[in-house]
Amino acid sequence: GAGVSQSPSNKVTEKGKDVELRCDPISGHTALYWYRQSLGQGLEFLIYFQGNSAPDKSGLPSDRFSAERTGGSVSTLTIQRTQQEDSAVYLCASSLFPGGGQPQHFGDGTRLSIL
Amino acid sequence: AQSVTQLDSHVSVSEGTPVLLRCNYSSSYSPSLFWYVQHPNKGLQLLLKYTSAATLVKGINGFEAEFKKSETSFHLTKPSAHMSDAAEYFCVVSDPGTASKLTFGTGTRLQVTL
Repeated sequence: GAGVSQSPSNKVTEKGKDVELRCDPISGHTALYWYRQSLGQGLEFLIYFQGNSAPDKSGLPSDRFSAERTGGSVSTLTIQRTQQEDSAVYLCASSLFPGGGQPQHFGDGTRLSIL
Repeated sequence: AQSVTQLDSHVSVSEGTPVLLRCNYSSSYSPSLFWYVQHPNKGLQLLLKYTSAATLVKGINGFEAEFKKSETSFHLTKPSAHMSDAAEYFCVVSDPGTASKLTFGTGTRLQVTL
């Protein structure tokens, strides 16, 4: 497709389980971003990739969160030992290249619910 | 450090009347500014962007915004609201010094009534 694709669209899991969220960016976009949207916290930056490297991981809330990107394309965000406070919508975005003037194009997100 | 303040958490207008969503920013540099819209259970869609060119920026669906450096504002307007405009709107800032992350406002929920 032409847009950013995220899967699954919804994920319900038990506390303590690990989850993987996938993002497929727009073809040719070198920069990829993960954000989290939750009630009370708004939209928060998590991590940014340029190619397969992550120059900015400053938004990852704990060491339970990790992400990787392979082939300069698909990215996976992994949350280990999930906690209830991890419940949120996780949004992925991509842009042609990084930089303040480049608009980021968002997927529809993965709604994560931790029971 | 950069920040964005959306002055209204909720705005209600009648269909066919003008829309004004207010945004003030703080930035150490000449920022890039964006407005995004989010419909329920959807991702964010770019409405328009300002990147130091013309101060009056036109976007999609009849929206426009004016960058006013002296007032550090970037308010979003539309002459005539449509029912389909009901959504959450986010004002976003990006400093050129931070090649990555966007800083989002807390959002304004726009309600459009008949």
